[in-house]
Amino acid sequence: NAGVTQTPKFRILKIGQSMTLQCTQDMNHNYMYWYRQDPGMGLKLIYYSVGAGITDKGEVPNGYNVSRSTTEDFPLRLELAAPSQTSVYFCASSYSFGQGNSPLHFGNGTRLTVT
Amino acid sequence: AQTVTQSQPEMSVQEAETVTLSCTYDTSESDYYLFWYKQPPSRQMILVIRQEAYKQQNATENRFSVNFQKAAKSFSLKISDSQLGDAAMYFCAYSNYGGSQGNLIFGKGTKLSVKP
Repeated sequence: NAGVTQTPKFRILKIGQSMTLQCTQDMNHNYMYWYRQDPGMGLKLIYYSVGAGITDKGEVPNGYNVSRSTTEDFPLRLELAAPSQTSVYFCASSYSFGQGNSPLHFGNGTRLTVT
Repeated sequence: AQTVTQSQPEMSVQEAETVTLSCTYDTSESDYYLFWYKQPPSRQMILVIRQEAYKQQNATENRFSVNFQKAAKSFSLKISDSQLGDAAMYFCAYSNYGGSQGNLIFGKGTKLSVKP
């Protein structure tokens, strides 16, 4: 069972470069999320999606963009990388919106360093 | 805005002993969910246990149990018979009930070490 798959696992970017973090899930979940985890902190929501074609901002969306063209994929785009975006990025999915009856399934994270 | 506070940056327990991790939260909502997530060195976030605020009974999952005190806004995690594999970061998290939220509010975490 693959679950939620994120690529790459590690990446180093120079300031001003752009990149896309890939996320795919094979559980047919409608709901997908991107979180970032800064050192010594818990996760914070960047963007989320309730289904193909629908996305919305979370707590810390600045500097990021997302798209959701299919149920399976939810890529996160960094257009102009900044040192403040150095973090570990987690993609997650769930069957329903919110946590009550449908826990989040997390990927293994992408460690991004911007120098 | 909701907040989650974990006041213990690090904890240590002897193998086979019991340890309790503390968590307090602040919310004006009456219905919500609380969670404990485990993050081992592999980085993956693993759900340990969850509690619905409308349930008075404390949740249990094998060796893991919670002490949910709604009036005090406290949600501690007890790990019994600690094992070496329990060593990890533990995050307490809050989620509003239903509808609009996939937004988990996390605490800063507690690093648990297990001594053999």
